[in-house]
Amino acid sequence: GAVVSQHPSRVICKSGTSVKIECRSLDFQATTMFWYRQFPKKSLMLMATSNEGSKATYEQGVEKDKFLINHASLTLSTLTVTSAHPEDSSFYICSADRGRGTGELFFGEGSRLTVL
Amino acid sequence: AQKITQTQPGMFVQEKEAVTLDCTYDTSDPSYGLFWYKQPSSGEMIFLIYQGSYDQQNATEGRYSLNFQKARKSANLVISASQLGDSAMYFCAMRDNTGRRALTFGSGTRLQVQP
Repeated sequence: GAVVSQHPSRVICKSGTSVKIECRSLDFQATTMFWYRQFPKKSLMLMATSNEGSKATYEQGVEKDKFLINHASLTLSTLTVTSAHPEDSSFYICSADRGRGTGELFFGEGSRLTVL
Repeated sequence: AQKITQTQPGMFVQEKEAVTLDCTYDTSDPSYGLFWYKQPSSGEMIFLIYQGSYDQQNATEGRYSLNFQKARKSANLVISASQLGDSAMYFCAMRDNTGRRALTFGSGTRLQVQP
């Protein structure tokens, strides 16, 4: 089956540094990928839609300068948390849309960010 | 706007028994899809089952079935013969099939299967 890989699975960084999270579709091309954020014991909230070759579409309230998204190829989208602060600590998870049929959405394993 | 409501923050079920997790939704889109995902403590999102708004029959996948009642806008997940490994968070989600393909998630239900 289709696989979406996310890296790193866990990252700890100091306040003020930037962290990059990668989301790769391993066996299909994804023109669209989605980035979600999940706080402990909460649901997944859509942050942005990553479109290959064009700018990402951010949800209301999500700072585009804080959360930089790049979708440089059909198999890779990256989320960079810039100048991270402790309140950015969260679980970030991506999903990729294969685009065929209505059930073809696959999730990465997620990345747990801890900002000290 | 789409909205998913899961009213059960937590559920308990005995091993080998069946359990129903509730999900209601609201949308103005004529074509949409309903999903259920399982999230164990590791955090990964495991796809369980999908129901399209125009599907005439309720979806089934092994021990999972989706009780789709379109007029009532409900899409309850039924897990038969519960196993200890079923203990996890369960999320109901929906997506419109004509526009944005991102999922809107409910708040989740934590299921605990007791031996």
